[in-house]
Amino acid sequence: DVKVTQSSRYLVKRTGEKVFLECVQDMDHENMFWYRQDPGLGLRLIYFSYDVKMKEKGDIPEGYSVSREKKERFSLILESASTNQTSMYLCASGLLGATEAFFGQGTRLTVV
Amino acid sequence: GENVEQHPSTLSVQEGDSAVIKCTYSDSASNYFPWYKQELGKGPQLIIDIRSNVGEKKDQRIAVTLNKTAKHFSLHITETQPEDSAVYFCAANQAGTALIFGKGTTLSVSS
Repeated sequence: DVKVTQSSRYLVKRTGEKVFLECVQDMDHENMFWYRQDPGLGLRLIYFSYDVKMKEKGDIPEGYSVSREKKERFSLILESASTNQTSMYLCASGLLGATEAFFGQGTRLTVV
Repeated sequence: GENVEQHPSTLSVQEGDSAVIKCTYSDSASNYFPWYKQELGKGPQLIIDIRSNVGEKKDQRIAVTLNKTAKHFSLHITETQPEDSAVYFCAANQAGTALIFGKGTTLSVSS
């Protein structure tokens, strides 16, 4: 079974902190994604990566950056956390091309 | 870029009834259309998908239809059961792009 593992289920951080959300997949997938999920807004794409050190902006990249130094790991970075970044963050991975994305269980981040 | 609209946002049915969720997409180059189910406290999981060279696909009680001309696709669940209660998302993409999701439909099946 494909496994996408997010490092934390719940996180509480203070405004202005630098926050790292980590994601690891074990299926050698080329593509990795970060989505944000908010009630009534669905899943919105923050960034995706199709190869090591490659990244593409999604629909809502402002306030976020990403890092992909190894194929299996994709990190989402909140440079200076703000309360409007309180949300559920979902990581996913998939093969190249138009194919299924496999999701992790999500990280619920609260910024206070 | 791609934009996906999904309706309705909530849907309540009686056990045994059918449920239909509809989505439209904007980019005619999109050729992959999956449907995901998200249960409470879990990440979304794929339940069925369809590609643009196919008009309909079935898997037991679940079916998806695609109308490329009108740029819309639908999820049909027959003989609904309480365990079908969840949030359902449609999505669309093409090679080289990420999946773009609709806003979701909360399905409630009452027994």
